[in-house]
Amino acid sequence: QSALTQPASVSGSPGQSITISCTGTSSDVGGYDYVSWYQQHPGKAPKVLIYEVTIRPSGVSNRFSGSKSGNTASLTISGLQADDEADYYCCSYTSSSARVFGGGTKLTVL
Amino acid sequence: QVELVQSGAEVKKPGASVKVSCKASAFAFTYFSIHWVRQAPGQGLEWMGWINGGNGNTKYSEKFRGRVTVTRDTSATIVFMELSSLTSEDTAIYYCARDAVGAAKYFDLWGRGTLLTVSS
Repeated sequence: QSALTQPASVSGSPGQSITISCTGTSSDVGGYDYVSWYQQHPGKAPKVLIYEVTIRPSGVSNRFSGSKSGNTASLTISGLQADDEADYYCCSYTSSSARVFGGGTKLTVL
Repeated sequence: QVELVQSGAEVKKPGASVKVSCKASAFAFTYFSIHWVRQAPGQGLEWMGWINGGNGNTKYSEKFRGRVTVTRDTSATIVFMELSSLTSEDTAIYYCARDAVGAAKYFDLWGRGTLLTVSS
């Protein structure tokens, strides 16, 4: 199972919006609505932001939103804030009942 | 408090095995699956496998099949991950993570991680 493809880095200024893509195959991202997104600050464990493509857990800011088209899922962060600077990972359920992560995207808030 | 408490850092020599523990605290362990995810220094997250807390069924990543074994002690509410034939490339932080209740298939609770260093 190959890792899902994410851009290595993205950047944006405070207040702007950015989108991170996550591309897989029909055996993972495209085949199931079980894509989740995680935020990881340095030295910390990951934290879930989005699950089942579009659902935000309680307590997660509505500045975070998810979507999917075909084999590509996306995470959009609106109204960028300094604390959004972190690494972001997508994760998908797969046809073999496994999970696969994306390679991760480093977000820099300029 | 609901949490996953992991064992402490380990240092192992190449060729050795390591067994990392993850204790489920304040939740009904047998209703959840527990996954293992690792992160090498400066690298991304890598899924390794999972165990069903109720029936003990397991599933492993093809990359680690044959080298990783995940087990559980239901009375102690502990999940173990054993990795054998260690090399320097296994140096990483190993996280256990809980699969959310129901069929949503995401990780809603993470341990703090266990640092494994493999060095001669």
